[in-house]
Amino acid sequence: DAGITQSPRHKVTETGTPVTLRCHQTENHRYMYWYRQDPGHGLRLIHYSYGVKDTDKGEVSDGYSVSRSKTEDFLLTLESATSSQTSVYFCAISRRSLVSNTNTGELFFGEGSRLTVL
Amino acid sequence: DAKTTQPTSMDCAEGRAANLPCNHSTISGNEYVYWYRQIHSQGPQYIIHGLKNNETNEMASLIITEDRKSSTLILPHATLRDTAVYYCIVRVTNAGKSTFGDGTTLTVKP
Repeated sequence: DAGITQSPRHKVTETGTPVTLRCHQTENHRYMYWYRQDPGHGLRLIHYSYGVKDTDKGEVSDGYSVSRSKTEDFLLTLESATSSQTSVYFCAISRRSLVSNTNTGELFFGEGSRLTVL
Repeated sequence: DAKTTQPTSMDCAEGRAANLPCNHSTISGNEYVYWYRQIHSQGPQYIIHGLKNNETNEMASLIITEDRKSSTLILPHATLRDTAVYYCIVRVTNAGKSTFGDGTTLTVKP
């Protein structure tokens, strides 16, 4: 599982409230990602990070912000949650080869955080 | 990243080989083909990847055409537990963005 932990795993909140999801990794990987997945659909990239304080937008970044103040934690924040942000959120890391120390490109995902915005 | 096209759904008989196609006609020379699968609502699981040569591991085989515009994931002896959504993506190994489409829902039937 590449040492990825997402928290909380389940959250119910009300429209307009702020929400922060946390992704924690224990293996010092450089690249981290946040995806969302809606019923019957594939994963859509929200934001990603390529190092401490280095982040960039994905395809569905509106309404979301991220922060990465240390290697092991990548935070996803919904400043003012809306019902359209009800989804399952997956964090992922891109693994580095222990042999060549280069990025293999393989993504390893957390178990997901299910967010419901009422 | 190049876009991929996969069939929406496929069926396979238990014990038979499952062949899942993927088209990636706009793939660049430095982009690899990756396959993942997602069982129920779990996080996607990495299966295999390749650049231009065929690849095999304990889970599956990956066949990439010579022009690299398409590929096939082969599960040699499908079991009921292989029922899942399978995603094909293309990306460079050290790039930031990885975009997933809707994948192929494979149903393995007894």
